[in-house]
Amino acid sequence: EVVLTQSPGTLSLSPGERATLSCRTSQSISSNYLAWYQQKPGQAPRLLIYGASRRATDIPDRFSGSGSGTDFTLTISRLEPEDFAVYYCQQYGGSPPWTFGQGTKVEIK
Amino acid sequence: QVQLQESGPGLVKPSETLSLTCTVSGGSISGYYWSWIRQPPGKGLEWIGYIYYSGSTDYSPSLKSRVTISVDTSKNQFSLKLTSVTAADTATYYCARNPGYSHGYAHDYWGQGILVTVSS
Repeated sequence: EVVLTQSPGTLSLSPGERATLSCRTSQSISSNYLAWYQQKPGQAPRLLIYGASRRATDIPDRFSGSGSGTDFTLTISRLEPEDFAVYYCQQYGGSPPWTFGQGTKVEIK
Repeated sequence: QVQLQESGPGLVKPSETLSLTCTVSGGSISGYYWSWIRQPPGKGLEWIGYIYYSGSTDYSPSLKSRVTISVDTSKNQFSLKLTSVTAADTATYYCARNPGYSHGYAHDYWGQGILVTVSS
């Protein structure tokens, strides 16, 4: 099983600041198969990024993804009030085919 | 606009079978992978299993002995059965669509989720 470790667990920032979230995988994966989701309380996760760096439909360009091998990053260039949420990374491959990180909470400082 | 909607009982007794259905509207079930994913209260996401529209399946090794996923393409629905449930199976259950390689095997549409509580 590919284990995903996200850091930090919680990120306390102010609106307008830059957020940098990390996702490390226990073994090297294809960057084609790394995705990021945003989840707000009481809502389903929403796909932000797939293929490590491709924004999903209607996702603002302040969200960007990067990385390869075992180290991946989600960056929010300037936090808007609606961006405070929990973010999950997800990989595809191996057994089980899909695994998720434990999440990073971005909270208002 | 594709929409997914989970349905089923919100309360299941221990040792019984959890049964949920996901109805897909605004698009066809054909050509996609369809997953069930769950989230215990206050915790992270756990992938349960998937079914391809053609009927092939794969399940999480930790749940494989208790899970069955099936599809009814005529009704644009797919279903989850989880047997011998315990309190540890209490979670919000999501159904989700996966386009496969074109989207890096990411889940692009999700249902709103249904909270299933296991309790006597």
